[in-house]
Amino acid sequence: QQPVQSPQAVILREGEDAVINCSSSKALYSVHWYRQKHGEAPIFLMILLKGGEQKGHDKISASFNEKKQQSSLYLTASQLSYSGTYFCGTANAGGTSYGKLTFGQGTILTVHP
Amino acid sequence: DAGVTQSPTHLIKTRGQQVTLRCSPKSGHDTVSWYQQALGQGPQFIFQYYEEEERQRGNFPDRFSGHQFPNYSSELNVNALLLGDSALYLCASSLAPGSNTIYFGEGSWLTVV
Repeated sequence: QQPVQSPQAVILREGEDAVINCSSSKALYSVHWYRQKHGEAPIFLMILLKGGEQKGHDKISASFNEKKQQSSLYLTASQLSYSGTYFCGTANAGGTSYGKLTFGQGTILTVHP
Repeated sequence: DAGVTQSPTHLIKTRGQQVTLRCSPKSGHDTVSWYQQALGQGPQFIFQYYEEEERQRGNFPDRFSGHQFPNYSSELNVNALLLGDSALYLCASSLAPGSNTIYFGEGSWLTVV
């Protein structure tokens, strides 16, 4: 079953913060976050494994709440380059992590000057 | 270090025809997965190849078939094309076992007319 992302779209001014959520009804092994610009391939941002860890690089970070089967992506002090569609991809617990991801419907993030 | 490469980039086919898409995984990766991404949707898992065998398959008909070669490259074949097969086809590679990180190629845009 497809994870649910929220919000569906968000519009920001440069320097503002945003949070994108990803929820699953199934037990998760890992959550993968990608950003895709129009006409381009999804770019890997980060992966979170079960254990409730939080990861981040630069001004983008994410958390994984294993109990709630939810992950959140945090974008702080947004830049114009952050614009794009953000997807979470989930791998279910009990399966392998060998490339089988189920993706949410995406969150369109637009950053204006 | 070459990333995931796909060919062709764009192609147009007629209903009922057959198409073959090609993928070379990232250097050092031995697992290839194929995804279909319709406009405005997240990628959908088609199938995955490891050690030249199909290991997992998503909810796609038998018209979709694939192959993995000894050098880990892969092909996706779609027979009896339908208008609904028009989409971006993404190849993803990963290292098995161990790595959870999955990298996508730029994709092949297929238009069926």
